[in-house]
Amino acid sequence: DGGITQSPKYLFRKEGQNVTLSCEQNLNHDAMYWYRQDPGQGLRLIYYSQIVNDFQKGDIAEGYSVSREKKESFPLTVTSAQKNPTAFYLCASSMGPNTQYFGPGTRLTVL
Amino acid sequence: AQKVTQAQTEISVVEKEDVTLDCVYETRDTTYYLFWYKQPPSGELVFLIRRNSFDEQNEISGRYSWNFQKSTSSFNFTITASQVVDSAVYFCALSEFRDDKIIFGKGTRLHILP
Repeated sequence: DGGITQSPKYLFRKEGQNVTLSCEQNLNHDAMYWYRQDPGQGLRLIYYSQIVNDFQKGDIAEGYSVSREKKESFPLTVTSAQKNPTAFYLCASSMGPNTQYFGPGTRLTVL
Repeated sequence: AQKVTQAQTEISVVEKEDVTLDCVYETRDTTYYLFWYKQPPSGELVFLIRRNSFDEQNEISGRYSWNFQKSTSSFNFTITASQVVDSAVYFCALSEFRDDKIIFGKGTRLHILP
């Protein structure tokens, strides 16, 4: 089955800890994206990558980091510098112009 | 600058009623794409439709239809004979041709009451 997987589905973190969210796709898409969604809000872009070994900051990159060592994988690390990390995180990928397909999301809660 | 406005934060209708979700966009580009996505309670965003700025034909897919009007910068979404399974948050989105990024509206939460 082709698609985008995100793990874990739920993640709990203590304050001051870094955590890494996984995103994998087997759609052979070149571009991948990370979004953050807060209750009642739209999606805000954190980072995106159009090719392997290259990525750009989105609108709210502070406190986050990413890597793109393989085409299929685009993990997101939420660092301790992120002041308010509790949110729903969505990963997406796209091939060619514009249409993005999304994974099931990871809900991160800081305890 | 790009902007997408979904003025309806939340809508409730009784099952089998028709409902229209409004979307107004702003862009300075002449070539752009418009999207609708559905987010059911499970959380995953499901792609519904993409239209490019050169194609103003209305589109119908089963109970779903979309009305694109460049003159009013609107891309409205109508669900005919709504069903409880249509309950979700619906996002309208915009992407300019030279930009791989998509700008999302804040979404409209739709409740279909049995």
